[in-house]
Amino acid sequence: KNQVEQSPQSLIILEGKNCTLQCNYTVSPFSNLRWYKQDTGRGPVSLTIMTFSENTKSNGRYTATLDADTKQSSLHITASQLSDSASYICVVSGDGAGNNRKLIWGLGTSLAVNP
Amino acid sequence: DVKVTQSSRYLVKRTGEKVFLECVQDMDHENMFWYRQDPGLGLRLIYFSYDVKMKEKGDIPEGYSVSREKKERFSLILESASTNQTSMYLCASSFPGQSSYEQYFGPGTRLTVT
Repeated sequence: KNQVEQSPQSLIILEGKNCTLQCNYTVSPFSNLRWYKQDTGRGPVSLTIMTFSENTKSNGRYTATLDADTKQSSLHITASQLSDSASYICVVSGDGAGNNRKLIWGLGTSLAVNP
Repeated sequence: DVKVTQSSRYLVKRTGEKVFLECVQDMDHENMFWYRQDPGLGLRLIYFSYDVKMKEKGDIPEGYSVSREKKERFSLILESASTNQTSMYLCASSFPGQSSYEQYFGPGTRLTVT
């Protein structure tokens, strides 16, 4: 069964600290893996997209890694800010042809950054 | 800047009412999507459209229909709203094929059916 599992379910850190969120998947075939940030009551916003051949990608203070052999990904947030408080969702696409028709969504990690 | 807009942020409807949720995108995207998001269940695809007047059922189409008469507009219709359709509804759009990886979401409509 195609699944995306994220851990931890929730996390609280102090402003300025780093943190790492985990994503394990069992999606096959694999096309690409994405991380989204979703603020409370808003739509998800794309942070990174990685295909099979990419094992790291950065977007400002966000760095995603992908190990396609172990089917694991992580999202590292550096020097956290209050505005990083959000849900972070890992999404895996099993559709090589694109179209976003076969996306498997994780349940997200809820991150709270406290002053 | 890509923009996906949804007609309402919050909506309260009564059981049995016909409900229309509208979504408009300004990026000339071929693909448009309707999802619902519920706690503990994540995002689930309701319907997908890959062109004007073309649609495809997603994972949970029961109780919903869609309309795409113009490329930029994709409407979700709840024919007879029920309380189990209380949810956050998210619209998204993207280009097709290999360019489709970047998917843009609207702000969402929180629908309550009483």
